Amino acid sequence: DTGVSQNPRHKITKRGQNVTFRCDPISEHNRLYWYRQTLGQGPEFLTYFQNEAQLEKSRLLSDRFSAERPKGSFSTLEIQRTEQGDSAMYLCASSLTQVEYNEQFFGPGTRLTVL
Amino acid sequence: DAKTTQPTSMDCAEGRAANLPCNHSTISGNEYVYWYRQIHSQGPQYIIHGLKNNETNEMASLIITEDRKSSTLILPHATLRDTAVYYCIVTSGNTPLVFGKGTRLSVIA
Repeated sequence: DTGVSQNPRHKITKRGQNVTFRCDPISEHNRLYWYRQTLGQGPEFLTYFQNEAQLEKSRLLSDRFSAERPKGSFSTLEIQRTEQGDSAMYLCASSLTQVEYNEQFFGPGTRLTVL
Repeated sequence: DAKTTQPTSMDCAEGRAANLPCNHSTISGNEYVYWYRQIHSQGPQYIIHGLKNNETNEMASLIITEDRKSSTLILPHATLRDTAVYYCIVTSGNTPLVFGKGTRLSVIA
């Protein structure tokens, strides 16, 4: 499968715990995006990378959220001291900037439940 | 905030054309209209995009008004598998997408 993959698909954690999600983009895609989606809403942009450089992080919801893409390939999104309000679907997408149009390929998402 | 306005929901009979409208009255000259859809429990999927001309691909057609303030996505022969939330997005270049709530399309047998 050459699509975007995300792991784990589901994560249940207790309030106060730290969680980390992984995204593997399509090979050779230099842009990688993280979005969050809550029930009944469209995806909400969080942060994105071009290769290993994080281009925008002001939309991360709080300083408990951080993301990295150390070698310009896979990326991780970490949430520290989780809260119940962090329960959501976390989506990753990748794209190729050499293509003139903005087609982003999304993964299946990681569903986080904070108890 | 999203720069588009879409109806909350629509129904369409299987085999008929589904016409999904979108208003984007504040669109800028360098911004494209993109459509994505999200089938339940999956990530969004790109459908089609356009600047000012009508576009067609294997999935759908996109009709953009001459003043570019609105557009319509057309699924020519809707099937049950087209049931999804459809998002109309205005954007330029390779930038983060700003999603609204979209239109929930229900295709009915």
